[in-house]
Amino acid sequence: QKEVEQNSGPLSVPEGAIASLNCTYSDRGSQSFFWYRQYSGKSPELIMSIYSNGDKEDGRFTAQLNKASQYVSLLIRDSQPSDSATYLCAVNIGERGTYKYIFGTGTRLKVLA
Amino acid sequence: NAGVMQNPRHLVRRRGQEARLRCSPMKGHSHVYWYRQLPEEGLKFMVYLQKENIIDESGMPKERFSAEFPKEGPSILRIQQVVRGDSAAYFCASSPPGGAPVGQFFGPGTRLTVL
Repeated sequence: QKEVEQNSGPLSVPEGAIASLNCTYSDRGSQSFFWYRQYSGKSPELIMSIYSNGDKEDGRFTAQLNKASQYVSLLIRDSQPSDSATYLCAVNIGERGTYKYIFGTGTRLKVLA
Repeated sequence: NAGVMQNPRHLVRRRGQEARLRCSPMKGHSHVYWYRQLPEEGLKFMVYLQKENIIDESGMPKERFSAEFPKEGPSILRIQQVVRGDSAAYFCASSPPGGAPVGQFFGPGTRLTVL
């Protein structure tokens, strides 16, 4: 059973701090990794994708990937109360033209004003 | 470029009735996925379809649930003889064909309430 694991939280950080969200996955063959943000009562929104080892930065968001450790993380710099949401990690599995995505259960982030 | 569209946004059914949920993927997307989410819980994968084909239905209950994605028109998730436990948010997502996977794009969801 291929799995994606996240700490459910809540993770509470003060406004302006760095929030660090972590995710581990079991399928060593996975090549593509994604972070989604889901506000309460809304649908998930794709915010970051990462395919290579190392860091990928987009504004206040940085995704980090370590395939050897099977570990993906999302850093949110200068956290704002509007960042309070559930963050879902997703990993792509599948072969040649079929793409299945496995989601973690999400980490709830609370940014305290 | 319109995003993923789902309708209805809210659906109320009585026990024993049928529920039909529709999903129109983003333009150019040929992969459709359905998920169910209970309040305060994670996304549960149900089924993955390409045009006229079910690729993976491992998350779909064996009875009462069916899904299709015809050559023309939206994808349909059908729930027959609904029960209270079917009350949930049902999300559809789509992704483009070919190349490296680029992630899924979600619709706004259909909130199903079974009375």
